[in-house]
Amino acid sequence: ETGVTQTPRHLVMGMTNKKSLKCEQHLGHNAMYWYKQSAKKPLELMFVYSLEERVENNSVPSRFSPECPNSSHLFLHLHTLQPEDSALYLCASSQDFLYEQYFGPGTRLTVT
Amino acid sequence: ILNVEQSPQSLHVQEGDSTNFTCSFPSSNFYALHWYRWETAKSPEALFVMTLNGDEKKKGRISATLNTKEGYSYLYIKGSQPEDSATYLCAFCGDKLIFGTGTRLQVFP
Repeated sequence: ETGVTQTPRHLVMGMTNKKSLKCEQHLGHNAMYWYKQSAKKPLELMFVYSLEERVENNSVPSRFSPECPNSSHLFLHLHTLQPEDSALYLCASSQDFLYEQYFGPGTRLTVT
Repeated sequence: ILNVEQSPQSLHVQEGDSTNFTCSFPSSNFYALHWYRWETAKSPEALFVMTLNGDEKKKGRISATLNTKEGYSYLYIKGSQPEDSATYLCAFCGDKLIFGTGTRLQVFP
């Protein structure tokens, strides 16, 4: 099994839709991360969970809602998004917070 | 405001050339500096994790140095090959986790 998987790989949604992104890691790591990659911008850290507790939330709008039910799974629930939220959303995991990260393939999100 | 800056933004070199680029980061509240390589259509992959001032790390033809007192790290590639073409990202780990904008390297045969 690959280390970090993300589903779906591509998602097109309207501004009134509700959808969820899923991330799963098979590495036995304790920390998981959500990032947003917009064109010509650096990777933006959105959320960090360590041992299933949220440890960092970088002022992300409430239309993005993370969920970490266990140390292997991380979700990003999306509702009433805006077109400017269109981006590549990457999930990563690491042995512990601030250790080297292993990234998933990303979800390319388009909000219409 | 914490900034992590990488230079140059992009770099084109011929196969066989050696090259280097820079990551500048805050010199306070430092815990670690990560380097990642991000090839097109793939996920970022960790190259190095550096924690101590004066650290030098090497992986094949790629090496990195760290100066935490002045807040910079250099990444060197010796004898660049086309397969080295990628975006190289650094990430500052301290009281915040912040990625730089990356250096996009293209190596021409």
